[in-house]
Amino acid sequence: QQQVKQSPQSLIVQKGGISIINCAYENTAFDYFPWYQQFPGKGPALLIAIRPDVSEKKEGRFTISFNKSAKQFSLHIMDSQPGDSATYFCAASMDSSYKLIFGSGTRLLVRP
Amino acid sequence: DAGITQSPRYKITETGRQVTLMCHQTWSHSYMFWYRQDLGHGLRLIYYSAAADITDKGEVPDGYVVSRSKTENFPLTLESATRSQTSVYFCASSESGSSGNTIYFGEGSWLTVV
Repeated sequence: QQQVKQSPQSLIVQKGGISIINCAYENTAFDYFPWYQQFPGKGPALLIAIRPDVSEKKEGRFTISFNKSAKQFSLHIMDSQPGDSATYFCAASMDSSYKLIFGSGTRLLVRP
Repeated sequence: DAGITQSPRYKITETGRQVTLMCHQTWSHSYMFWYRQDLGHGLRLIYYSAAADITDKGEVPDGYVVSRSKTENFPLTLESATRSQTSVYFCASSESGSSGNTIYFGEGSWLTVV
């Protein structure tokens, strides 16, 4: 099964709050889990990524938490800002494969 | 640093017409991709190319044709457009095809088929 399931579909957070987006996958062969950020009218851009040999990766206000046994990973945005308002996609791929499987996306709105 | 450029950015066409979306990248990346983005479906791969003259189907290839005569160009053709092909199309490229390589996306082509 190649699917990556993402939730919630949309999320509204107050400025300064924590935004949390969750993804679950089926294929245990996946070994690379990126998150892409997409602003309106633009293409997606890589935000942060993790490999399953670590349980957490942090870059500034953005953190990926990875639970290998549960086959789940999540994006946490600390101190959310209005400029973070965008659509976020999780994705997964496996070694030796070009193919990125994307989740369905989460539209985040951070209110001032 | 032009990166990936797509044209046209916006297109309205009629059912049954042929439409070609252009994609040009300046990085000399080996891999190029075409995705379509639809609400509730995320990004789905239509076709990819590992190098000039090498192309292969992705998840949703029906109704589309691609070619890659030069490394930097990867046009996508809808041979006979249908309303179900109304979507936002993204061209992308990657230095290699292995897991972990960043995929860089263009800004998208909005296509409406009426």
